[in-house]
Amino acid sequence: DTEVTQTPKHLVMGMTNKKSLKCEQHMGHRAMYWYKQKAKKPPELMFVYSYEKLSINESVPSRFSPECPNSSLLNLHLHALQPEDSALYLCASSLGQVVTGNTIYFGEGSWLTVV
Amino acid sequence: RKEVEQDPGPFNVPEGATVAFNCTYSNSASQSFFWYRQDCRKEPKLLMSVYSSGNEDGRFTAQLNRASQYISLLIRDSKLSDSATYLCVVNQVDRGSTLGRLYFGRGTQLTVWP
Repeated sequence: DTEVTQTPKHLVMGMTNKKSLKCEQHMGHRAMYWYKQKAKKPPELMFVYSYEKLSINESVPSRFSPECPNSSLLNLHLHALQPEDSALYLCASSLGQVVTGNTIYFGEGSWLTVV
Repeated sequence: RKEVEQDPGPFNVPEGATVAFNCTYSNSASQSFFWYRQDCRKEPKLLMSVYSSGNEDGRFTAQLNRASQYISLLIRDSKLSDSATYLCVVNQVDRGSTLGRLYFGRGTQLTVWP
């Protein structure tokens, strides 16, 4: 079982809604990630937090807003999404950012449907 | 040109078969290499890291050829439970940065039939 916990597992939201995806890990990892995965495609990196600071933003639209309240928690705030944003959103963590080849562990993901 | 290239398959093999997956990467500065397994509608899970000397874990053998920028995964004595998508993953530090990131291949789909 994964030690990265994501909630909710499934989310359906309208284009005018505001919702959040949550991620938690208690492995003492200092790097946390958000990935987006569409069907039959590999995960695409969205954001990286290293020591609770945003270190990488892959030019993600501002309707996605990450937040790292502490070293164990990572949120993704969603507002005014489009149907094409429907995907599996994966949270992941690693001991440090992967410059040293640290293994990255994924949560089970949150299935998002925008209607 | 993609950072990591994989044959998407699908590979359909009978139980007991040996199957090999290949992967190439474009950046010679890549530092570490992994194979992940992803089951349908599940998250990717680390299968094994790949080392320059090659490494084996039970029925699975991974090889790395840095000169050719080529990674392979060999599965011997395939089981039904091996059916999944296998993702080749490469870690590299982007130019001008000290921070690394993972690059994923598109995955190779394997189906093992009885």
